[in-house]
Formats: sequence, structure tokens, C-alpha cells
Amino acid sequence: DAGITQSPRYKITETGRQVTLMCHQTWSHSYMFWYRQDLGHGLRLIYYSAAADITDKGEVPDGYVVSRSKTENFPLTLESATRSQTSVYFCASSEGFAGPFPYNEQFFGPGTRLTVL
Amino acid sequence: KNQVEQSPQSLIILEGKNCTLQCNYTVSPFSNLRWYKQDTGRGPVSLTIMTFSENTKSNGRYTATLDADTKQSSLHITASQLSDSASYICVVRFNSGGSNYKLTFGKGTLLTVNP
Repeated sequence: DAGITQSPRYKITETGRQVTLMCHQTWSHSYMFWYRQDLGHGLRLIYYSAAADITDKGEVPDGYVVSRSKTENFPLTLESATRSQTSVYFCASSEGFAGPFPYNEQFFGPGTRLTVL
Repeated sequence: KNQVEQSPQSLIILEGKNCTLQCNYTVSPFSNLRWYKQDTGRGPVSLTIMTFSENTKSNGRYTATLDADTKQSSLHITASQLSDSASYICVVRFNSGGSNYKLTFGKGTLLTVNP
């Protein structure tokens, strides 16, 4: 199916474990983003990628690692999960980002709810 | 500091009534402002985008306004329906230097429409 998908949709893990959240888009968008959403905060950018093999830090990158070997995939890894990383994680993609509308519209996935015990 | 403040935090209205959500920002230099609707358990979906030169834009029963001078935007929902129950998020895009842009997200307004 076309669009942007995330897996798993729900994940429970323990402190110290490594967790990888997957994101896949079928539009061949250049830009992909990872956000976390917590009560009392707006969406906060973790990492983003302008193209395959190009990634950059966002607002809250500590404790996370990303890679982008293929345009359509953008996995997010928590190397050693902590309780403070309990959150809902959203992946998004856009055709452009620095460019004019409509190319900079972001399309969001359905989210992954992660609980770290 | 670049900030986006939304009000109210939450709002409960009866089906069929109108409501207005507010978004104030201190972001500069301004590029555009977008309103998203986020249903429970789903990702945000764009409703409308406002650029510097636009004052009003409609999308069905949703009407967004922008006053770039006072740095305020509003989202007006007409004849609300139960399906309008969601969180509405204001997002402002600004130039962070050269060809670089960033987004600042508001915390959202949670709207509940009751029958």
C-alpha cells in the first residue's frame, strides 16, 4: 500500500535494551523525520534525513541513532532504552523541506507507542 | 526564543456549534504556518497552510486566518461534527539561516465534540 508506515505500532521493552523502530515510505520522498510526542510537549524533532546516507540531529537526539541506506527506509534505534524514552514516536516524510509549498508538506505515519519499563 | 503557543489547551463543545482555536507565535523570520488535525492514535494530517501574504483560507468547514503583524493565527470550525474531535496542532516554519528552515510545533488544542 502506498504511504508511510511504521512498525511496530506498540512496543514494550526494558531499561537498557536496544530497540529499533522502523519507518517505510513509498513516495520516494527525499526528506524523512523522526519525532517524539509527549504530554505537555509539542512534537519534538529527534533526527532527520535529507537523502540516503545524509542525516542530521534535531532538537532531542541524545540516546538515539538513525541510518538511511535506502531512500524509503529510516529506522530509529534506541541503543540502551531509558524510562524517559517512553513516548509516542512519529515518522514523517516530505518531498522537500527547504523548498516552497507544497513540496515541504510533511506526511506523518501512524506512530509507534513505546513503553520502557 | 522561537515559540508557538496555542489556546485553549482543551475545549468541549456540542455538536453543531462553532469554535475558534488560537495560535500565537514569536517565530521569526516567518515562512509559513500550518494547522494539523491529529485524531486519537493517529499521525497529524495537514488541514491548511498559510503563507505571509494570506489572511484567510478555507478547507470545507475549517477556516484559518493569519495576522502576520500581530503573529496570530486562528482556526475556526463551523457546524462541528463528532468527527472533529481531535487535537489541533499549529506549526510554524521559519528560516534558521541561509537556505535552512526549521519547524516549531505548538502543544495542540484538544477538541471534544459531544452529541
